[in-house]
Amino acid sequence: GNSVTQMEGPVTLSEEAFLTINCTYTATGYPSLFWYVQYPGEGLQLLLKATKADDKGSNKGFEATYRKETTSFHLEKGSVQVSDSAVYFCALTPNSGYSTLTFGKGTMLLVSP
Amino acid sequence: NAGVTQTPKFQVLKTGQSMTLQCAQDMNHEYMSWYRQDPGMGLRLIHYSVGAGITDQGEVPNGYNVSRSTTEDFPLRLLSAAPSQTSVYFCASRNRDRLNYGYTFGSGTRLTVV
Repeated sequence: GNSVTQMEGPVTLSEEAFLTINCTYTATGYPSLFWYVQYPGEGLQLLLKATKADDKGSNKGFEATYRKETTSFHLEKGSVQVSDSAVYFCALTPNSGYSTLTFGKGTMLLVSP
Repeated sequence: NAGVTQTPKFQVLKTGQSMTLQCAQDMNHEYMSWYRQDPGMGLRLIHYSVGAGITDQGEVPNGYNVSRSTTEDFPLRLLSAAPSQTSVYFCASRNRDRLNYGYTFGSGTRLTVV
């Protein structure tokens, strides 16, 4: 079956530090990959996506590259802000058939001033 | 604003009670899903629907029931609440042909069963 593995948190950083949150996946075929973000007390919001190998998704200064050879989709940001404090979920969905989302367990990011 | 609306936002139930969590979307999305979120577990799929009149089970369907009589609504029923169903529940939807757009999530229902 499909599965997503994320690094455990919390990840604690100072403002303007560099962020990496690791994500690897197991799937049949070549899925689409997503990062969702959940701010405190809210639902999930799509942060970025990539649908095929070597695609780079980007949004709000965050980036992730679809690496087929390492089955990875690591999230990066060059300079985090306090407002980036949230829980980040890596997820995948197959590109054929009905495509529900399979999520990782989430990584909490805490950014201090 | 267009989106996914979940009600109620908070609910406390006694063991054995039943209730329905409501989910409505106004984007004409064919696909709708229910997830539960538990600490350290991520989000797990309960039930999903690919269109009106069509539903199927996800990873953790036991104790829950769904139906989809319209495109807009996808209610989740707890038949006899148990403390193990204490969780945050999210409804999500997406357009069948727009995988790249990802799913749109509601703001969640926080359920406590005592």
